[in-house]
Formats: sequence, C-alpha cells, structure tokens
Amino acid sequence: EPEVTQTPSHQVTQMGQEVILRCVPISNHLYFYWYRQILGQKVEFLVSFYNNEISEKSEIFDDQFSVERPDGSNFTLKIRSTKLEDSAMYFCASSALLAGVHEQYFGPGTRLTVT
Amino acid sequence: AQSVSQHNHHVILSEAASLELGCNYSYGGTVNLFWYVQYPGQHLQLLLKYFSGDPLVKGIKGFEAEFIKSKFSFNLRKPSVQWSDTAEYFCAVNAGNMLTFGGGTRLMVKP
Repeated sequence: EPEVTQTPSHQVTQMGQEVILRCVPISNHLYFYWYRQILGQKVEFLVSFYNNEISEKSEIFDDQFSVERPDGSNFTLKIRSTKLEDSAMYFCASSALLAGVHEQYFGPGTRLTVT
Repeated sequence: AQSVSQHNHHVILSEAASLELGCNYSYGGTVNLFWYVQYPGQHLQLLLKYFSGDPLVKGIKGFEAEFIKSKFSFNLRKPSVQWSDTAEYFCAVNAGNMLTFGGGTRLMVKP
C-alpha cells in the first residue's frame, strides 16, 4: 500500500537555525499538507498546497515558514529561524480529490526539538 | 471556523468491553468527518470516514461511527475491544481541504 514518508524522523536544532523537513507524498496525490502537534496538544493545521502554490494556511504559518515542491516527488517545510516554541511533531499529509472530498494520508512525522 | 471536541481524554477498558468515544463538532456548513487512530510509535491512520449517505459508517478493525447531524456528533464505537486497540483516537472535521482535529482520546485496553 502506498504511504507518505518523512525524513528525518527526529531533528535537533539550535534556536535561530534554519531547518528543512522533508516529505514524499503518495505519488498520484496532488494536494499536500503540513500539520504539527506540540507535545500534549492538538494536531494543528499549518498549510495546504496545490498546483505549486499555497491554497490555505493557518495563523501559525507566519513568515518564518515556507513550503516548496522542489521536484516531482518531494514536499518540504522550511522554518527559517527556529524558536523554542517550534518544538513539535510535524506531520506531512497528502490527498487526492475523490467525489469532491479529500481523504488525507499522513506520514510518520518528524519530531523537531529546538534547544 | 470549525472546531472539534472529544469529551474523554483517557479511557481505560478491559478486553471485551464495549467502547464509545464522543466527538462533537461545530461548523455551520457541510462537513466530512473522520476518525484517525495512532498506535504507539506509529503514524496517524484513517479508521473510518463519513462523507454522505448512511449516517452509520463502518471502518477497519470492527469500528463504526454514527453521524447525528442534529447533535453535531460523530461518536466512535466498537462492541468488543481488544488489547491491540490500545492507541490514541482522533476525531477530525474537514471543511474544504483542511482538517481540524479534536484533542484526542487515549485508550488503554487491559488484557
């Protein structure tokens, strides 16, 4: 069964550093997403991406964040200057649009620790 | 904006007990509803979904959920749980292409 993959599984970085989290969505999906889950809190939507542009983003997704599909398979989330509060589990998801509905498939997540 | 609430944060059951996890959402328009499960150390997996039609939907591993529009609810049920159902369960609402999640319910099934 096809699945979404993410690398790395765990990233430790110092405050102020840039990080890039990588995702390989399911190959025939056209919609891509990033979510995050701070320890002990809800899974929160960050951004959705379609046709090489952001289709929706939350208030969390400020100027420090950016997304890119650099080639035909990868989908990346960049945090330009990490803060302690960016420490969280980051989940990538992808979906196809079937009968007007998105059924999102999630990757295993990247645990980001900012020290 | 939509929101989702799950009433039970932690549930402990013995094997063979019946399970019902509550989920309520608030949104004025048409929604699609999902339950995801996260087993220890694994990623979110889709358990079942409601788009339209029969409000009683059946998912994998013997789970089912009932959409009650008048109550804005989408409760998850299983008649007889197993130890392997120990996991965290998330209810989610999709309006457009963004998912809004509830806070999750951590289920522990004692053998």
